[in-house]
Amino acid sequence: RKEVEQDPGPFNVPEGATVAFNCTYSNSASQSFFWYRQDCRKEPKLLMSVYSSGNEDGRFTAQLNRASQYISLLIRDSKLSDSATYLCVVKAKYGNKLVFGAGTILRVKS
Amino acid sequence: NAGVTQTPKFQVLKTGQSMTLQCAQDMNHNSMYWYRQDPGMGLRLIYYSASEGTTDKGEVPNGYNVSRLNKREFSLRLESAAPSQTSVYFCASSEISSGSTDTQYFGPGTRLTVL
Repeated sequence: RKEVEQDPGPFNVPEGATVAFNCTYSNSASQSFFWYRQDCRKEPKLLMSVYSSGNEDGRFTAQLNRASQYISLLIRDSKLSDSATYLCVVKAKYGNKLVFGAGTILRVKS
Repeated sequence: NAGVTQTPKFQVLKTGQSMTLQCAQDMNHNSMYWYRQDPGMGLRLIYYSASEGTTDKGEVPNGYNVSRLNKREFSLRLESAAPSQTSVYFCASSEISSGSTDTQYFGPGTRLTVL
């Protein structure tokens, strides 16, 4: 079983739609959680960290459920520029090694 | 600031050839990492260097060696390339300190094909 699992998609949505991705992780000792964004043939970039209380950054909302060991990302009012692969990332309590999910592909169409 | 830079951007090797991928960062970060990314799989850690002078194996170190040349530079060497090493290689760096967000910053990647 992969340590971090994501639905690979693709999620095809029209502009303006709301879309949500989930991610599950298997290591209960995981301490920090992130969503990274990766554009086609580019490097990953941090989109947002995920906090236990949930956090919002503009149109993006991230939630963490430690009991069920899953993380979610909600994108409201999707833009064409949101088209990318979204990587779920977890970090154990000690050390700074990140474990990446394989990513969820989002395609926003006009 | 250039951030994290990698050279070369593309490389084609024949089986058995050797090469070194170069990585440099200008953010004064302590920690540096090498990942590979294959279709359908997440980025997998090959080696990392928590600080200058130290290196440790990651998830998939076989067939690779690394050198932390100084605080800025971290190179990855393939001694005898194999087709299974065809991949996209990313270098990353981060600042590990109390209160840091542990964000890793990635270079643009090296696309390596081994024939």
